[in-house]
Amino acid sequence: DVKVTQSSRYLVKRTGEKVFLECVQDMDHENMFWYRQDPGLGLRLIYFSYDVKMKEKGDIPEGYSVSREKKERFSLILESASTNQTSMYLCASSRPDRGWDEKLFFGSGTQLSVL
Amino acid sequence: AQKITQTQPGMFVQEKEAVTLDCTYDTSDPSYGLFWYKQPSSGEMIFLIYQGSYDQQNATEGRYSLNFQKARKSANLVISASQLGDSAMYFCAMREGYGQNFVFGPGTRLSVLP
Repeated sequence: DVKVTQSSRYLVKRTGEKVFLECVQDMDHENMFWYRQDPGLGLRLIYFSYDVKMKEKGDIPEGYSVSREKKERFSLILESASTNQTSMYLCASSRPDRGWDEKLFFGSGTQLSVL
Repeated sequence: AQKITQTQPGMFVQEKEAVTLDCTYDTSDPSYGLFWYKQPSSGEMIFLIYQGSYDQQNATEGRYSLNFQKARKSANLVISASQLGDSAMYFCAMREGYGQNFVFGPGTRLSVLP
């Protein structure tokens, strides 16, 4: 079974802490994404990466950074966590240029609470 | 402006009945793909069905079908013979142009009643 694995299902952190959310995929996908999910807003793209060491800002990158040192791993970093970053974070991956029906594969999500 | 609109925050349906979840989209690109995902309480997003902008026929996948009305920019998901396990959040999403990114709607929470 192909998989996108997020390191934690639930995470509780304090304001000001540096937070790392890890995502690993075993499908050899070039594209990886970090989304944030909030009620009534759907999924919003934070950052994405088309290749190792490459990153592009999404719609809401403020307060976040990412790292992609290896093809299978894409990390989301909250440099100084704030309460408004309490949310569900979803990692996804996909293959590029395989046709319009190439879909996203998602991890199970990390519910982050910042106190 | 919202690119994907799902006007039903919540829906109820009786078990074994059919239900339609609405999705309208906004794009000026002639090439795009439309997707529906299901998110049960476990959190993982599950791909359900895909419709391409040039597809002549409506997509079907088992009990799921997509009512694609291109001129109205509408891509409604139809679930036939609802089951209790269909209770979940449902998201409509679009991939447009040559981009690799997906835009998601706010979702519809479906509750199937026994």
